[in-house]
Amino acid sequence: GQQVMQIPQYQHVQEGEDFTTYCNSSTTLSNIQWYKQRPGGHPVFLIQLVKSGEVKKQKRLTFQFGEAKKNSSLHITATQTTDVGTYFCAVKGSQGNLIFGKGTKLSVKP
Amino acid sequence: DAGVIQSPRHEVTEMGQEVTLRCKPISGHDYLFWYRQTMMRGLELLIYFNNNVPIDDSGMPEDRFSAKMPNASFSTLKIQPSEPRDSAVYFCASSGVPETQYFGPGTRLLVL
Repeated sequence: GQQVMQIPQYQHVQEGEDFTTYCNSSTTLSNIQWYKQRPGGHPVFLIQLVKSGEVKKQKRLTFQFGEAKKNSSLHITATQTTDVGTYFCAVKGSQGNLIFGKGTKLSVKP
Repeated sequence: DAGVIQSPRHEVTEMGQEVTLRCKPISGHDYLFWYRQTMMRGLELLIYFNNNVPIDDSGMPEDRFSAKMPNASFSTLKIQPSEPRDSAVYFCASSGVPETQYFGPGTRLLVL
């Protein structure tokens, strides 16, 4: 079945440093979604990418969808302590479900 | 909209007891999902419904787990009998079109 690999599993950064997490699939994706889960919270939808090579920005967050639609990245510029949490990518499965990556847990040292 | 509502938010029970988790999806959403999250296994899809009909329950760990959706506004996940290894956070999520999922706050289950 559909799988998506997400790396790294953990990332520790100093506040102000940049952060990137990557998702990779062996098959071409119709779209990819990104979610954020704060410690003790629940996953919250951030964005969906659909087009080949698409780049979307949300303040300090930049989302990219690869030209071949097999990979995606989330980049955070100048991390802040409010960015801590786990970032998940998710791809469409069959019949309306989503397949979530394992997530990248980000910690930010003030 | 109140979002996805789950109850209880926390549950502590003893091994062997029956546990029932409840979920009210966002009104108008056609899909409802039950997930389990642990440190070891991450976020696991247990079962999901479309228009109240179970579509895929292959993620349900064993026969001790069962889920129902008697109507479009209510679903339950039942564990009977519960075991310590069932301790986890259980999330309910719903979605309409497109497939963006909206998660509830989760139920933190501890089985002693």
